[in-house]
Amino acid sequence: EIVLTQSPATLSLSPGERATLSCRASQSVGTYLAWYQQKPGQTPRLLIYDASNRATGVPARFSGSGSGTDFTLTISSLEPEDFAVYYCQQRSHWPPVLTFGGGTKVETK
Amino acid sequence: QLQLQESGSGPVKPSQTLSLTCSVSGEFISSGGYSWNWIRQAPDKGLEWIGYIYHSGSTLYNPSLKSRVTMSVDRSKNQFSLKLTSVTAADTADYYCARGITVTMSYAMDVWGQGTTVTVSS
Repeated sequence: EIVLTQSPATLSLSPGERATLSCRASQSVGTYLAWYQQKPGQTPRLLIYDASNRATGVPARFSGSGSGTDFTLTISSLEPEDFAVYYCQQRSHWPPVLTFGGGTKVETK
Repeated sequence: QLQLQESGSGPVKPSQTLSLTCSVSGEFISSGGYSWNWIRQAPDKGLEWIGYIYHSGSTLYNPSLKSRVTMSVDRSKNQFSLKLTSVTAADTADYYCARGITVTMSYAMDVWGQGTTVTVSS
């Protein structure tokens, strides 16, 4: 089973700052990786699929990069609505089992 | 516009079976290119993928839950369902259904239901 480790667990930043979130896989997942945002009391929202593709309607300040075992979600300049928990999710090559990382909370400094 | 809505059996006692249904509107489950997923989130915890089903009825489950999970699809009602047997307090969680896009390599889930809370308690 592929394990996803997200770091840091909590990121304390101010609006306007750059956020860099990491997701590391225990073995290569190619670019089979997605990122989600979840605000308190809300449903997760897809941000990035296949490591670097923004989902429909996602602002350009969100970008994803990486391949293999190391992935990054970058928020170029934090808006007040971006303070939330972010999860990465991978799909194994075969069988195509899915797993989530433990999440990174982006909180206001 | 695609919408998913979970409904379920309400509170469940330990050792009983949890049953949930996801009703899909705005698109036919029989449309190709999608997986129909169940995900759960225990209180103040992260997301856990439970499994998915294709419109054909083929399934894939989380290995850690596989022995207790059964998913099914009812194309006539445009619904898919989850059964989880032998529940314990550890199965208390918000349960979400979501559509996965299988033409993406990551099987990313782009539309989610609002979630339903299931409490396991005697």
